[in-house]
Amino acid sequence: QKEVEQNSGPLSVPEGAIASLNCTYSDRGSQSFFWYRQYSGKSPELIMFIYSNGDKEDGRFTAQLNKASQYVSLLIRDSQPSDSATYLCAVNQGYGGATNKLIFGTGTLLAVQP
Amino acid sequence: DARVTQTPRHKVTEMGQEVTMRCQPILGHNTVFWYRQTMMQGLELLAYFRNRAPLDDSGMPKDRFSAEMPDATLATLKIQPSEPRDSAVYFCASGPGQGAYEQYFGPGTRLTVT
Repeated sequence: QKEVEQNSGPLSVPEGAIASLNCTYSDRGSQSFFWYRQYSGKSPELIMFIYSNGDKEDGRFTAQLNKASQYVSLLIRDSQPSDSATYLCAVNQGYGGATNKLIFGTGTLLAVQP
Repeated sequence: DARVTQTPRHKVTEMGQEVTMRCQPILGHNTVFWYRQTMMQGLELLAYFRNRAPLDDSGMPKDRFSAEMPDATLATLKIQPSEPRDSAVYFCASGPGQGAYEQYFGPGTRLTVT
């Protein structure tokens, strides 16, 4: 079992729709969860982080965390073609957040159709 | 506008040559990470420093790769001798540490070994 799992996609959504990106992780001790966006040929860019169970909203983005189910998701409302990118889920490794290492998933490719 | 810088941005070299990549972390960040990204393997952590001390280099091929932080403003990743399978994009990232685990990526060095 991979430590951080994501569906590779592509996830295709029409412009204006809600895109839902999902991630599961195996380390129950993980406490910090991150979403990065990576455009083709560019470096990963941090867009959201979440530490507590529940929802965290930032503009059109909402991160959702369920530690009991070891599940984290990213919702993008009113999707735009400019949101088309690979979205990487990352989880800190180490019980109690003892290390600064992040384990990255392989990413989900999102394609927003005009 | 604080950001991680990396040089060179592109490097083409012949097999057997030495390659040195440099990174300047964001001022005040005390954690520095080196990653390698390929289509097949995704984002792999090679080495990780906290307060300039190497904490984890388990992802790095020890026989040919070395990573150092000669001072707080410079991290280096060296490959000697380089091989075609080292062709990848190498990212440096830095983070504030102190219980905050987010990481900010540099633009990357695209390495091609022929």
